[in-house]
Amino acid sequence: ETGVTQTPRHLVMGMTNKKSLKCEQHLGHNAMYWYKQSAKKPLELMFVYSLEERVENNSVPSRFSPECPNSSHLFLHLHTLQPEDSALYLCASSQDEGGPYEQYFGPGTRLTVT
Amino acid sequence: GQNIDQPTEMTATEGAIVQINCTYQTSGFNGLFWYQQHAGEAPTFLSYNVLDGLEEKGRFSSFLSRSKGYSYLLLKELQMKDSASYLCAVRDSNYQLIWGAGTKLIIKP
Repeated sequence: ETGVTQTPRHLVMGMTNKKSLKCEQHLGHNAMYWYKQSAKKPLELMFVYSLEERVENNSVPSRFSPECPNSSHLFLHLHTLQPEDSALYLCASSQDEGGPYEQYFGPGTRLTVT
Repeated sequence: GQNIDQPTEMTATEGAIVQINCTYQTSGFNGLFWYQQHAGEAPTFLSYNVLDGLEEKGRFSSFLSRSKGYSYLLLKELQMKDSASYLCAVRDSNYQLIWGAGTKLIIKP
């Protein structure tokens, strides 16, 4: 595997379900990100991990819970979601040392909450 | 507040040139990025500007004017595969990316 991978690619869940999204980066980066992308809206940054420490929360509802066990893996745990949470969830990574390093994105998980 | 503005949609003809504009108001400035996103795919990095002027990369060029809070992405010799959304993003004083909503570019034969 190369780059940034995400699983699953598609997920349909009910509002009472619990599920997790997984992201893995194979680039040797030290920062990872979760974004939400809704149609015709800017990317919304949800969480940032730098050197495995969470550095940004951006007032995301508690029904979204991130986990970063090491610098290569990132999870987003989901529970009791709402229909408005249906969106494309993108994971990204970068080399975060204060320099202008671009972010590399995974293909995303298309989430539908029913 | 912080804001990135870019046109919602543009249409151009194969072989032609198109310019996609981006204006921004942010808390500080530490660089501007352009990304390309094909439908159903991940955004991919196209260009980065931190100083005023033009950066050229093959058929794609990106321009920045920090005093005007303005950038554009110039695509030359358009190909059908250039049909995609183009995202403008600015790194603010906290080194976080502020994103525009993207410009959907439609290429017609």
